[in-house]
Amino acid sequence: NAGVTQTPKFQVLKTGQSMTLQCAQDMNHNSMYWYRQDPGMGLRLIYYSASEGTTDKGEVPNGYNVSRLNKREFSLRLESAAPSQTSVYFCASSEGQGFNEQYFGPGTRLTVT
Amino acid sequence: AQSVSQHNHHVILSEAASLELGCNYSYGGTVNLFWYVQYPGQHLQLLLKYFSGDPLVKGIQGFEAEFIKSKFSFNLRKPSVQWSDTAEYFCAVNARTGRRALTFGSGTRLQVQP
Repeated sequence: NAGVTQTPKFQVLKTGQSMTLQCAQDMNHNSMYWYRQDPGMGLRLIYYSASEGTTDKGEVPNGYNVSRLNKREFSLRLESAAPSQTSVYFCASSEGQGFNEQYFGPGTRLTVT
Repeated sequence: AQSVSQHNHHVILSEAASLELGCNYSYGGTVNLFWYVQYPGQHLQLLLKYFSGDPLVKGIQGFEAEFIKSKFSFNLRKPSVQWSDTAEYFCAVNARTGRRALTFGSGTRLQVQP
């Protein structure tokens, strides 16, 4: 039981490049989330998916898109990376419709130059 | 919109000292409350949670938290810290209506000196 996995662990992009962050969970959870963590700001929600086939914007969705590929996988795409998107990105999942505790992946450290 | 405040940004303690980290939230309805810990270089792990019932909640590794509804607070405590408790601690809130996701505080960095 791997829990929540994320790839890649580290990534460096140039401004304007695109990339997709992958997330998968093996706990049969309905809800999945993408957060970004910046120093002194805690974690801020980018997008979430309360069930397969649905996605909703969080606090900071601009510049990102997501895909809930199936129940296990939830990807985050940066279409045109900007230095302001330099951050650590965490994926999480939870049982039910999103009111329970969340289980986090190990994170992706992204640097945009 | 709900928000979470953690007033202590950086706390330095000696081993065996007692710990209390403050957490206040702004939401008038029913909430689920969480404390997460992030050890250096690692992902977030759940310390404890409160959904309902006894407002004094016990978590892992000797941590506890008290929910005081009238003060909109959910402070984290530990009677005697260890060097291994050095980490960042996040309070999080989930209102039982509306957006189905956590709102996090900005975090408190705890440094325990041997």
